[in-house]
Amino acid sequence: DAGVIQSPRHEVTEMGQEVTLRCKPISGHDYLFWYRQTMMRGLELLIYFNNNVPIDDSGMPEDRFSAKMPNASFSTLKIQPSEPRDSAVYFCASSLLERVETQYFGPGTRLLVL
Amino acid sequence: AQSVSQHNHHVILSEAASLELGCNYSYGGTVNLFWYVQYPGQHLQLLLKYFSGDPLVKGIKGFEAEFIKSKFSFNLRKPSVQWSDTAEYFCAVNAQYSGAGSYQLTFGKGTKLSVIP
Repeated sequence: DAGVIQSPRHEVTEMGQEVTLRCKPISGHDYLFWYRQTMMRGLELLIYFNNNVPIDDSGMPEDRFSAKMPNASFSTLKIQPSEPRDSAVYFCASSLLERVETQYFGPGTRLLVL
Repeated sequence: AQSVSQHNHHVILSEAASLELGCNYSYGGTVNLFWYVQYPGQHLQLLLKYFSGDPLVKGIKGFEAEFIKSKFSFNLRKPSVQWSDTAEYFCAVNAQYSGAGSYQLTFGKGTKLSVIP
């Protein structure tokens, strides 16, 4: 299996622009998680899905952030409009129903908002 | 809500030295515990995990961790580190309770390990 795939790997954008991050979970996995990693706050869970349905989005920082999972093999995290404080590494992870807690992480998207 | 503390922000060791990274969590109920490693420029990889049973857990690359319930700790150890162990290490806890969020992992802030050849 190719593992969790994320794109782009790096994104540089200007403040106010829309940013879309993409994730392909491991095939057959039932859960998908979006995390954000910053120096100040460490690794934070933003939102997670079960069978394409958002279960807990309490970690989403504000309305500028939105996430979707239109099917079992694809999810997006969108920031609109982006701000410099959104600069971070965004990780996607997936897991199986039988062992939801064991999460497999993608390579991350390093986002820089100027 | 649960929290995870990793007291050492940065640890510097010479090759062949022994390693112990501390991890404490705050949650009184049943927990699943994890250590993840992030090599420079790479994504998080699972190093080892504890769900139940023997509190001494062995992971990949010679790492092990011991769950001490009375101390709410899950410290990571390796008898002899190598330069290739240079990475950032994250402890994570999953608290077992019902309801939304029961599958989430709470991560510590991480400990950077630098191994000097």
